[in-house]
Amino acid sequence: AQSVTQLDSQVPVFEEAPVELRCNYSSSVSVYLFWYVQYPNQGLQLLLKYLSGSTLVKGINGFEAEFNKSQTSFHLRKPSVHISDTAEYFCAVSYQGGKLIFGQGTELSVKP
Amino acid sequence: DGGITQSPKYLFRKEGQNVTLSCEQNLNHDAMYWYRQDPGQGLRLIYYSQIVNDFQKGDIAEGYSVSREKKESFPLTVTSAQKNPTAFYLCASMGTGSHEQYFGPGTRLTVT
Repeated sequence: AQSVTQLDSQVPVFEEAPVELRCNYSSSVSVYLFWYVQYPNQGLQLLLKYLSGSTLVKGINGFEAEFNKSQTSFHLRKPSVHISDTAEYFCAVSYQGGKLIFGQGTELSVKP
Repeated sequence: DGGITQSPKYLFRKEGQNVTLSCEQNLNHDAMYWYRQDPGQGLRLIYYSQIVNDFQKGDIAEGYSVSREKKESFPLTVTSAQKNPTAFYLCASMGTGSHEQYFGPGTRLTVT
């Protein structure tokens, strides 16, 4: 069975510092990979996705992620975070007709 | 504006009562999904439907039921058989040939 592991449940960081949120997945077949962001009591918004092609994917709000097939990872990065980036971030894998498997989520807390 | 609406935003029920959560989309998407979110557990798939009048169980379907009589609507009923119904429920939809799910704002259900 496929699974997604987000290695950090909470990541505190100071404003304007870089951040990396880690995600590993288990799969023996090709997958589609996603990062979503969720602000308190709201739905999920797509940050970026990897379907094929370049392994470096750029998304909204200055975020990017790198697909590493050999390490089965899809880590999310931002070179300089803002207070407004404080939210929960979910990594997800798509399989079997579009169903998503989500990681447990990482709470990013940006401090002034 | 195209999108997904879920109503109500907050819902309170007494234990032993069935309750139906609404999900409507005007994106003309064929596929629709229901997820349950609990703190620290990410999102888990309850039911999904890839076409009108057809739906399949997800990973945690016990205690829930759905219907898909119209393309734009996918209501979820939380029955009294669901042992721990208090959670945040998210509905999503996806277009044919796409790999991106669009999420509604969610309904927070509290059962006491």
